[in-house]
This record gives sequence, structure tokens and C-alpha cells, in this order.
Amino acid sequence: AQSVAQPEDQVNVAEGNPLTVKCTYSVSGNPYLFWYVQYPNRGLQFLLKYITGDNLVKGSYGFEAEFNKSQTSFHLKKPSALVSDSALYFCAVRGDTGRRALTFGSGTRLQVQP
Amino acid sequence: DAGVIQSPRHEVTEMGQEVTLRCKPISGHDYLFWYRQTMMRGLELLIYFNNNVPIDDSGMPEDRFSAKMPNASFSTLKIQPSEPRDSAVYFCASSLAGGGGETQYFGPGTRLLVL
Repeated sequence: AQSVAQPEDQVNVAEGNPLTVKCTYSVSGNPYLFWYVQYPNRGLQFLLKYITGDNLVKGSYGFEAEFNKSQTSFHLKKPSALVSDSALYFCAVRGDTGRRALTFGSGTRLQVQP
Repeated sequence: DAGVIQSPRHEVTEMGQEVTLRCKPISGHDYLFWYRQTMMRGLELLIYFNNNVPIDDSGMPEDRFSAKMPNASFSTLKIQPSEPRDSAVYFCASSLAGGGGETQYFGPGTRLLVL
């Protein structure tokens, strides 16, 4: 079975400060890891993914994520937060064998204060 | 590209009624997924198709739920009869097979309220 843990329901950060949204996972085989963002009353928008290769992945809107195999983590980061980054962020995983469906974490609400 | 299209965007119905949700995947994509989002259970997979064939329906809650994909550009999720606990946002997503790490692209969702 595969699972994702997002330990923080909410993260608060001041505009201009760096932000981190945490994610740890459990999966059989090698992981494919994803981050999505959801704005109110909208669908999920893809931000970035890790498949293989460089552990630091860069994505949309200045976001990046670092894959750490030993800690089974895939934390989302941004050097300088914007108020417009305020949204709900989901981490998702699937293994490299079998089931194509993603398993999602419970989501972390990011609140960026002006 | 128009992205994944879902209809209706909102649906309010009464308990016992039949509900049909519709999805048009991105053209050329060969995987289609139905997910449900609730406050209590988060985002969970209901069913997914590959080349119009259902592959995994283990997430379908019970026999009241059924899904079809008659062709590559259309899928339906039907609830009959509907119950208040079915109230949720239902998302459709599609992807193009590419070695396993393919990205799923989500539609805007259908917000269902069963009274």
C-alpha cells in the first residue's frame, strides 16, 4: 500500500519569506512524486514532479521540491512567498509498478500574510 | 488545449435521484481517472480507465456507483440512487502514458449536493 503524510494542516508565512510545505511518503518500489495546488472552487493544478535524476526539482511559479530518499520526503519550497501563493497544496505519490492512480496527502493550507 | 472538461459544474439533487457526471479528457490522453474530494476523506480514487477499459474500480463505494467510458473522449460517473453522503466534489483527470511518471491533469470538478 502507498501513503502520503502532510503533517501540517496549515502553514503561515509572511510575504517575502521562504516557505516549506512538508510531505513524507511510503510506497513499494521507486516513487513518482507530485505536488498540486488547489485554489478555492477550482481543480487541482500541477506544480512539479519527481520521477528520477536530480533530487531538486523545479516547477511552476518559482516552486521547487527536494526529494530525499533516505527520509522518504518530498518537501515543497519557495525562496520568497507571495500573497497569491495562498492556497491548498497536495502532495501525491505512486509507485513505479502497477497501479497508475495517485495517492494524495490530506493537504496543507498555505497562508501568506502581506 | 481546452484541458479536461467536466459537466455540470454544480449539481443539487434530492436523495434517491439519479445523478450523472460527465467528463471529456484531454485529446490524445489514454488514461482517465475519477476522484472524489470530501472534507472527511480527502481526495480518493474511485476508478480509472486505460484506453476506455476500466482497470481499477476498487475505490467505487458501492453498487450505487457506476462509471463508463464509451469512447476515448467521453466518460460518465453515475450515482443511482443518490444519498446525502455522496455530497462531494468529483474530479476527473486524464494523462498520457509515458513510462509511469506521467502527469495527471485535472478538470474543474463537479460539486454535488444531495439533499
